[in-house]
Amino acid sequence: LAKTTQPISMDSYEGQEVNITCSHNNIATNDYITWYQQFPSQGPRFIIQGYKTKVTNEVASLFIPADRKSSTLSLPRVSLSDTAVYYCLVLSGGYQKVTFGIGTKLQVIP
Amino acid sequence: DAEITQSPRHKITETGRQVTLACHQTWNHNNMFWYRQDLGHGLRLIHYSYGVHDTNKGEVSDGYSVSRSNTEDLPLTLESAASSQTSVYFCASSDSAVRTDTQYFGPGTRLTVL
Repeated sequence: LAKTTQPISMDSYEGQEVNITCSHNNIATNDYITWYQQFPSQGPRFIIQGYKTKVTNEVASLFIPADRKSSTLSLPRVSLSDTAVYYCLVLSGGYQKVTFGIGTKLQVIP
Repeated sequence: DAEITQSPRHKITETGRQVTLACHQTWNHNNMFWYRQDLGHGLRLIHYSYGVHDTNKGEVSDGYSVSRSNTEDLPLTLESAASSQTSVYFCASSDSAVRTDTQYFGPGTRLTVL
C-alpha cells in the first residue's frame, strides 16, 4: 500500500492560488495519483488524476515530479466555494487496502 | 443521467437491531464499495464487490455484510447494530474497464445507533 501524507489543514484568502502537497514515497510503477474533493454532508468527488509530469483540467492542476514520490494539487484563484476536504489517493494492490486518510481541510477566507 | 443513490439518507436505530442500507447505481459499473466516515478517521473501506455474486472484506468489515445479486445494487447490512457503528456511510462505484479506477460516490447515509 502506497501510504500518503498530506497536511491536515490549510487556510487561504480568496483569489489566491493554493497548493496542497501529498507525499507517497513507496508509490508503485503502475500506480496513478488521484485527488478527490469533499464538501460537508456530501460524498467525495473526483477532481483530477495523473501519472507523471503535469495534468490540468477546468478545476485544478496536478504536478508530479519525475521520481513520483510526491504530487501537488494546485487550485488557481480559490473562492469560498472551494472550502472542502481534499484527499490524495494512490491505489496499490487492489481495493482491499484503499484508504482516503483524513485529507487536507482547506478553509478559504474572505 | 447516470447516478448513484443511497437510502435512507438518515436512520436512527437501537442497539441489537438489524439494519440495511441501500445503494443503487445506474452507471452500469462492475465495482461497488461501502465506506464509513468518522471524525478523525477519514473514509474507511468496509466491503467491496467486483461484480455480481462477488464480495470482499475491506479494512473495517466486522459487523457488516453485503450481497451482490445484480449489477445495480449493493445493500449493506448491519446484523446487530452497535453504538460504535454510528457513522456516515458512503457507497461508491467505478468502472472496472477503466484502468484508473475513478470512484463515484453517493450522497451518504447518516446512521445513529442508540
